[in-house]
Formats: sequence, C-alpha cells, structure tokens
Amino acid sequence: DTGVSQDPRHKITKRGQNVTFRCDPISEHNRLYWYRQTLGQGPEFLTYFQNEAQLEKSRLLSDRFSAERPKGSFSTLEIQRTEQGDSAMYLCASSSDLGGPYEQYFGPGTRLTVT
Amino acid sequence: AQSVAQPEDQVNVAEGNPLTVKCTYSVSGNPYLFWYVQYPNRGLQFLLKYITGDNLVKGSYGFEAEFNKSQTSFHLKKPSALVSDSALYFCAVRGSGAGSYQLTFGKGTKLSVIP
Repeated sequence: DTGVSQDPRHKITKRGQNVTFRCDPISEHNRLYWYRQTLGQGPEFLTYFQNEAQLEKSRLLSDRFSAERPKGSFSTLEIQRTEQGDSAMYLCASSSDLGGPYEQYFGPGTRLTVT
Repeated sequence: AQSVAQPEDQVNVAEGNPLTVKCTYSVSGNPYLFWYVQYPNRGLQFLLKYITGDNLVKGSYGFEAEFNKSQTSFHLKKPSALVSDSALYFCAVRGSGAGSYQLTFGKGTKLSVIP
C-alpha cells in the first residue's frame, strides 16, 4: 500500500494559463475525491468519482474546472484560464467500499500558485 | 446542509497534561464523524472515526474521541500530550445517507504542546 500520490507537488503558473494535476489513489479504492484547501481553512469538497463516474460536483467547481477519471484508476483535475483566486492546495483522497465507504485517505496535495 | 464548528483556533497544553480539541457538527440524519491531523507541508492523516456503536472511539497515537448525540459534539482527547502531537487538527462530518460521500471540514485547531 503506497498511499495516495499526487503530481506535481508544487505548480507556479501565470494568470490565464491552464494547469493539470494528477492523482493516483490507493490501488483497490473505487472512490476518489478532490478537495481544495486555502490558508487557514479546512479542505472544501470539489468533486467525487465512483469508479469512472463523476457523481457529485460542488458549486465551487466552476466551468473552468474539469475532472476526469477515465479508467476508474488515476484522476486528473484541470483548471483553465487560471485566476489568482485559484491559488490553493489541491488535495486528492480515496476510499474503499470494503467494510463501508468510510474514511478517506489523502494525498500530500498539489500547491498551486497563480502569479 | 452539513457543517462543522471548531470553536478554538489554537489550543496550548503542557507536555504530559491531558488535551481536548472541541468539535460540534450539524448534519441531516445520523452522522459519520472523523478526525484528521495535518503536519506542515503534508496531507491530512486519518486519526479516528465514529460510525455507530460505542460513543468513545479510540484511534491512532493514543487519541480518542467522544460522540455526544444530544450535544452534537465529537471532541478529540488524549490523556497525556506529547510535543510531537503539535499539529493542525481537523474535524469532519458526512451524512449516512446513500450517495452522500463528501466530507465537510471545520476550519481546524492548531495544537501546541509546550515542553
């Protein structure tokens, strides 16, 4: 069990550029989540996948944000036309249905800085 | 809508003394409750959960939490604090209804254990 991994760990981009983040969940986990965390706040839910299906999206997920999980394994989160307000830590988590869909295990996060 | 309140931004405790980090919640139906810990520049680590059953749940690193339904609280406790417990602690809740998988987090409480 290697845990949830995220790539890159840090990303600096200029306003207006597009960025893409990758998340690799724990291998047997069928559920995958994206959260965003800003300084001094707890993580806020963005979206959720069960296998390859995107089942929940937060109103925080504007039309500039898109997430995919094409084969029910890794997931990508893309932000188009980045804005300074997008600067945050983007966290990925995964969980399993075995024994109930309970605790989510988090990756180390991708810190995005938009200049 | 579900919500979590952590009324203390910071808790200071002397090493060896008991510690309590407070959490209250609001959710429709029965709650699933979680505590996570975050160390600097690292992702969230799962500590413990309440799903059903005994109101006192035990977790990692000697932490425990007490679920109180009438007070809608889920306070985190440890009998004897260690300097290494110094970190940011988050309480989270989700509903037990089908299809309700997103976690709602509090703003976090910074725990400082003084040698």
